[in-house]
Amino acid sequence: DAKTTQPPSMDCAEGRAANLPCNHSTISGNEYVYWYRQIHSQGPQYIIHGLKNNETNEMASLIITEDRKSSTLILPHATLRDTAVYYCIVRAGQNTDKLIFGTGTRLQVFP
Amino acid sequence: SAVISQKPSRDICQRGTSLTIQCQVDSQVTMMFWYRQQPGQSLTLIATANQGSEATYESGFVIDKFPISRPNLTFSTLTVSNMSPEDSSIYLCSQDRFTDTQYFGPGTRLTVL
Repeated sequence: DAKTTQPPSMDCAEGRAANLPCNHSTISGNEYVYWYRQIHSQGPQYIIHGLKNNETNEMASLIITEDRKSSTLILPHATLRDTAVYYCIVRAGQNTDKLIFGTGTRLQVFP
Repeated sequence: SAVISQKPSRDICQRGTSLTIQCQVDSQVTMMFWYRQQPGQSLTLIATANQGSEATYESGFVIDKFPISRPNLTFSTLTVSNMSPEDSSIYLCSQDRFTDTQYFGPGTRLTVL
């Protein structure tokens, strides 16, 4: 079973920041928080991951609470092309560990 | 990021037949994975394709229904055997290239009539 809880859907105005929350209260010390997104009819796309420090890349920022029980993915300036299902996944940082997908958050960016 | 291709991109098949899906990556990888995504659902892991040994299947998936080959470090196949309409799904492969990040292929959309 997925170890994360996300809201089923969210809306965001184009150009505004999209803040997608994720709860992972049972996360273990060696587990990372990963974010993927899936645009309709495409394979999932890796966005970002982190262990305990906040992370930023060209796509997004990841804010992890100090107790690591929740996190927020931030898309700083959402565009219509960011409309997708966003998945938050916890996983040990080893390449043999599988990804367990939950139901994700369907983000709709509107004009 | 890695380049992953899948063939076919989509297919429509008759009940009782089998389809083999190919997954090719652009460089050698340790782990390859196969997922299924049923209509309107999230992704479910079918199995981990191991090079040089049998695949490791998740609960609810068996080798007779979903045989997997992994002949080398850049290629894998998944066969959906004796298909029924319930097998209509998107099938995706992913790879983990000596890092802690998986990259996914574009998927194969299968419709079984």
